Amino acid sequence: LAKTTQPISMDSYEGQEVNITCSHNNIATNDYITWYQQFPSQGPRFIIQGYKTKVTNEVASLFIPADRKSSTLSLPRVSLSDTAVYYCLVGPNNAGNMLTFGGGTRLMVKP
Amino acid sequence: KAGVTQTPRYLIKTRGQQVTLSCSPISGHRSVSWYQQTPGQGLQFLFEYFSETQRNKGNFPGRFSGRQFSNSRSEMNVSTLELGDSALYLCASSFRGGTGEQYFGPGTRLTVT
Repeated sequence: LAKTTQPISMDSYEGQEVNITCSHNNIATNDYITWYQQFPSQGPRFIIQGYKTKVTNEVASLFIPADRKSSTLSLPRVSLSDTAVYYCLVGPNNAGNMLTFGGGTRLMVKP
Repeated sequence: KAGVTQTPRYLIKTRGQQVTLSCSPISGHRSVSWYQQTPGQGLQFLFEYFSETQRNKGNFPGRFSGRQFSNSRSEMNVSTLELGDSALYLCASSFRGGTGEQYFGPGTRLTVT
Protein backbone atom coordinates (compact mmCIF):
# COMPACT_ATOMS: atom_id res chain seq x y z
CA LEU A 1 0.00 0.00 0.00
CA ALA A 2 1.16 3.55 -0.74
CA LYS A 3 2.97 5.29 2.10
CA THR A 4 1.36 8.47 3.39
CA THR A 5 2.84 11.54 5.06
CA GLN A 6 0.75 13.98 7.06
CA PRO A 7 1.55 16.60 9.70
CA ILE A 8 1.95 15.24 13.20
CA SER A 9 -0.22 17.93 14.75
CA MET A 10 -2.27 21.02 13.98
CA ASP A 11 -3.98 23.68 16.06
CA SER A 12 -7.10 25.58 15.15
CA TYR A 13 -9.85 27.66 16.73
CA GLU A 14 -13.55 27.08 16.93
CA GLY A 15 -15.43 28.21 13.86
CA GLN A 16 -12.43 28.06 11.55
CA GLU A 17 -12.05 25.83 8.51
CA VAL A 18 -9.31 23.24 8.92
CA ASN A 19 -7.42 21.70 6.03
CA ILE A 20 -5.24 18.65 6.63
CA THR A 21 -3.02 17.64 3.74
CA CYS A 22 -1.72 14.15 3.12
CA SER A 23 1.09 13.29 0.70
CA HIS A 24 1.05 9.98 -1.13
CA ASN A 25 3.59 10.25 -3.95
CA ASN A 26 3.50 6.54 -4.79
CA ILE A 27 -0.23 6.20 -5.12
CA ALA A 28 -1.24 3.50 -7.57
CA THR A 29 -3.85 3.73 -10.28
CA ASN A 30 -6.37 1.62 -8.39
CA ASP A 31 -5.79 3.23 -4.99
CA TYR A 32 -8.46 5.19 -3.16
CA ILE A 33 -7.91 7.80 -0.45
CA THR A 34 -9.75 7.35 2.82
CA TRP A 35 -9.83 9.42 5.99
CA TYR A 36 -10.69 8.24 9.49
CA GLN A 37 -11.17 10.18 12.73
CA GLN A 38 -10.29 8.80 16.15
CA PHE A 39 -11.10 10.12 19.61
CA PRO A 40 -9.10 8.94 22.63
CA SER A 41 -9.91 5.39 23.72
CA GLN A 42 -12.37 4.89 20.87
CA GLY A 43 -12.19 3.10 17.56
CA PRO A 44 -11.58 5.11 14.38
CA ARG A 45 -14.60 6.45 12.53
CA PHE A 46 -14.84 6.63 8.74
CA ILE A 47 -15.07 10.21 7.49
CA ILE A 48 -14.78 10.20 3.73
CA GLN A 49 -13.32 8.37 0.75
CA GLY A 50 -12.47 9.53 -2.74
CA TYR A 51 -10.60 8.68 -5.92
CA LYS A 52 -10.18 11.99 -7.75
CA THR A 53 -11.34 15.63 -7.83
CA LYS A 54 -13.67 16.50 -4.98
CA VAL A 55 -15.93 14.54 -2.69
CA THR A 56 -18.23 16.12 -0.14
CA ASN A 57 -20.47 14.69 2.54
CA GLU A 58 -22.26 16.11 5.57
CA VAL A 59 -19.08 16.05 7.63
CA ALA A 60 -16.16 16.99 5.38
CA SER A 61 -14.81 17.56 1.91
CA LEU A 62 -11.93 15.78 0.25
CA PHE A 63 -9.92 17.52 -2.44
CA ILE A 64 -7.70 15.45 -4.73
CA PRO A 65 -5.61 17.15 -7.44
CA ALA A 66 -5.24 15.69 -10.90
CA ASP A 67 -1.91 13.96 -10.17
CA ARG A 68 -3.40 12.38 -7.02
CA LYS A 69 -0.06 12.62 -5.21
CA SER A 70 -1.70 14.45 -2.33
CA SER A 71 -5.12 15.04 -0.86
CA THR A 72 -6.66 17.54 1.51
CA LEU A 73 -9.31 16.86 4.09
CA SER A 74 -11.35 19.98 4.76
CA LEU A 75 -13.40 20.34 7.94
CA PRO A 76 -15.72 23.37 7.80
CA ARG A 77 -16.23 25.46 10.92
CA VAL A 78 -14.64 23.12 13.46
CA SER A 79 -15.82 22.86 17.04
CA LEU A 80 -14.10 21.66 20.21
CA SER A 81 -15.57 18.20 19.59
CA ASP A 82 -13.52 17.90 16.40
CA THR A 83 -10.37 17.58 18.50
CA ALA A 84 -9.12 14.15 17.47
CA VAL A 85 -6.52 12.27 15.46
CA TYR A 86 -7.15 12.16 11.72
CA TYR A 87 -5.71 9.35 9.60
CA CYS A 88 -5.15 9.37 5.87
CA LEU A 89 -5.10 5.93 4.24
CA VAL A 90 -4.34 5.00 0.66
CA GLY A 91 -5.04 1.63 -0.91
CA PRO A 92 -7.13 -0.31 -3.39
CA ASN A 93 -10.79 -0.24 -2.58
CA ASN A 94 -11.39 -3.93 -2.72
CA ALA A 95 -11.91 -6.79 -0.41
CA GLY A 96 -8.95 -8.88 0.66
CA ASN A 97 -6.70 -5.95 1.49
CA MET A 98 -6.44 -4.35 4.89
CA LEU A 99 -6.37 -0.84 6.28
CA THR A 100 -2.85 0.45 6.93
CA PHE A 101 -2.80 3.35 9.35
CA GLY A 102 0.05 5.82 9.54
CA GLY A 103 0.80 8.15 12.40
CA GLY A 104 -2.14 10.46 11.81
CA THR A 105 -2.56 14.17 12.49
CA ARG A 106 -3.51 15.25 15.97
CA LEU A 107 -5.90 18.19 15.60
CA MET A 108 -6.43 20.42 18.60
CA VAL A 109 -9.35 22.85 18.40
CA LYS A 110 -9.16 25.69 20.88
CA PRO A 111 -11.97 27.94 22.11
CA LYS B 1 -28.83 -0.49 13.55
CA ALA B 2 -26.67 -1.54 16.51
CA GLY B 3 -22.97 -0.83 16.20
CA VAL B 4 -19.98 -3.09 16.69
CA THR B 5 -19.73 -4.40 20.23
CA GLN B 6 -16.65 -5.71 21.96
CA THR B 7 -16.38 -7.55 25.23
CA PRO B 8 -14.93 -7.16 27.69
CA ARG B 9 -14.10 -3.46 27.58
CA TYR B 10 -11.29 -3.74 30.08
CA LEU B 11 -9.12 -6.66 31.10
CA ILE B 12 -6.11 -7.16 33.36
CA LYS B 13 -4.04 -10.28 32.93
CA THR B 14 -0.71 -11.60 34.17
CA ARG B 15 2.26 -12.51 31.99
CA GLY B 16 2.02 -16.05 30.70
CA GLN B 17 -1.77 -16.19 30.82
CA GLN B 18 -3.99 -16.31 27.80
CA VAL B 19 -6.94 -14.12 26.89
CA THR B 20 -9.93 -14.26 24.59
CA LEU B 21 -11.62 -11.13 23.26
CA SER B 22 -14.98 -11.08 21.55
CA CYS B 23 -16.42 -8.95 18.78
CA SER B 24 -19.98 -8.81 17.48
CA PRO B 25 -20.18 -7.08 14.10
CA ILE B 26 -23.00 -5.01 12.72
CA SER B 27 -25.87 -7.19 11.55
CA GLY B 28 -25.34 -8.28 7.96
CA HIS B 29 -21.60 -7.62 7.96
CA ARG B 30 -19.53 -10.65 7.05
CA SER B 31 -16.05 -9.22 7.50
CA VAL B 32 -14.38 -8.72 10.87
CA SER B 33 -10.89 -7.30 11.22
CA TRP B 34 -8.78 -6.96 14.34
CA TYR B 35 -6.26 -4.21 15.11
CA GLN B 36 -3.85 -3.56 17.95
CA GLN B 37 -3.21 0.01 19.01
CA THR B 38 -0.31 1.05 21.22
CA PRO B 39 1.26 4.48 21.82
CA GLY B 40 4.53 3.34 20.30
CA GLN B 41 3.38 1.38 17.24
CA GLY B 42 0.06 3.03 16.48
CA LEU B 43 -2.73 1.07 14.83
CA GLN B 44 -1.57 -2.24 13.43
CA PHE B 45 -3.60 -4.80 11.50
CA LEU B 46 -3.79 -8.26 13.06
CA PHE B 47 -6.07 -10.28 10.80
CA GLU B 48 -9.34 -10.30 8.89
CA TYR B 49 -12.03 -12.93 8.80
CA PHE B 50 -14.67 -13.17 6.11
CA SER B 51 -17.39 -15.81 6.15
CA GLU B 52 -15.50 -17.83 8.78
CA THR B 53 -12.22 -17.86 6.81
CA GLN B 54 -9.10 -15.90 7.61
CA ARG B 55 -8.54 -13.83 4.50
CA ASN B 56 -5.61 -11.67 5.54
CA LYS B 57 -3.02 -11.61 8.30
CA GLY B 58 -0.70 -8.97 9.64
CA ASN B 59 2.81 -9.36 10.94
CA PHE B 60 2.15 -10.71 14.41
CA PRO B 61 3.48 -13.86 16.11
CA GLY B 62 1.49 -17.07 16.18
CA ARG B 63 0.46 -16.34 19.78
CA PHE B 64 -2.23 -14.14 18.23
CA SER B 65 -5.03 -16.12 16.67
CA GLY B 66 -8.65 -15.68 15.85
CA ARG B 67 -11.74 -17.27 14.51
CA GLN B 68 -15.13 -16.34 13.17
CA PHE B 69 -18.40 -18.11 13.76
CA SER B 70 -21.27 -18.70 11.37
CA ASN B 71 -23.13 -15.68 12.77
CA SER B 72 -20.06 -13.52 11.93
CA ARG B 73 -19.14 -12.99 15.55
CA SER B 74 -15.40 -13.20 16.02
CA GLU B 75 -13.00 -14.00 18.81
CA MET B 76 -9.35 -13.16 19.15
CA ASN B 77 -7.04 -15.16 21.37
CA VAL B 78 -3.62 -14.23 22.68
CA SER B 79 -1.66 -16.97 24.39
CA THR B 80 1.35 -16.67 26.68
CA LEU B 81 0.80 -12.99 27.29
CA GLU B 82 3.76 -10.63 27.36
CA LEU B 83 3.98 -7.14 28.85
CA GLY B 84 4.19 -5.75 25.32
CA ASP B 85 0.75 -7.11 24.52
CA SER B 86 -0.79 -4.38 26.65
CA ALA B 87 -2.82 -2.40 24.16
CA LEU B 88 -6.22 -1.34 22.92
CA TYR B 89 -7.59 -4.11 20.71
CA LEU B 90 -10.05 -2.90 18.13
CA CYS B 91 -12.43 -4.84 16.00
CA ALA B 92 -13.91 -3.50 12.77
CA SER B 93 -16.75 -4.86 10.70
CA SER B 94 -17.87 -4.26 7.15
CA PHE B 95 -20.02 -5.92 4.54
CA ARG B 96 -17.21 -6.96 2.23
CA GLY B 97 -14.04 -6.11 4.15
CA GLY B 98 -10.84 -4.75 2.75
CA THR B 99 -10.16 -1.09 2.39
CA GLY B 100 -13.71 0.08 2.02
CA GLU B 101 -15.63 1.77 4.79
CA GLN B 102 -15.19 -0.06 8.07
CA TYR B 103 -17.02 0.34 11.35
CA PHE B 104 -14.94 0.09 14.49
CA GLY B 105 -16.00 -1.03 17.94
CA PRO B 106 -15.02 0.75 21.15
CA GLY B 107 -12.14 -1.64 21.78
CA THR B 108 -10.91 -3.81 24.61
CA ARG B 109 -8.22 -2.30 26.79
CA LEU B 110 -5.87 -5.13 27.80
CA THR B 111 -3.30 -4.59 30.52
CA VAL B 112 -0.69 -7.26 31.12
CA THR B 113 1.14 -7.11 34.45
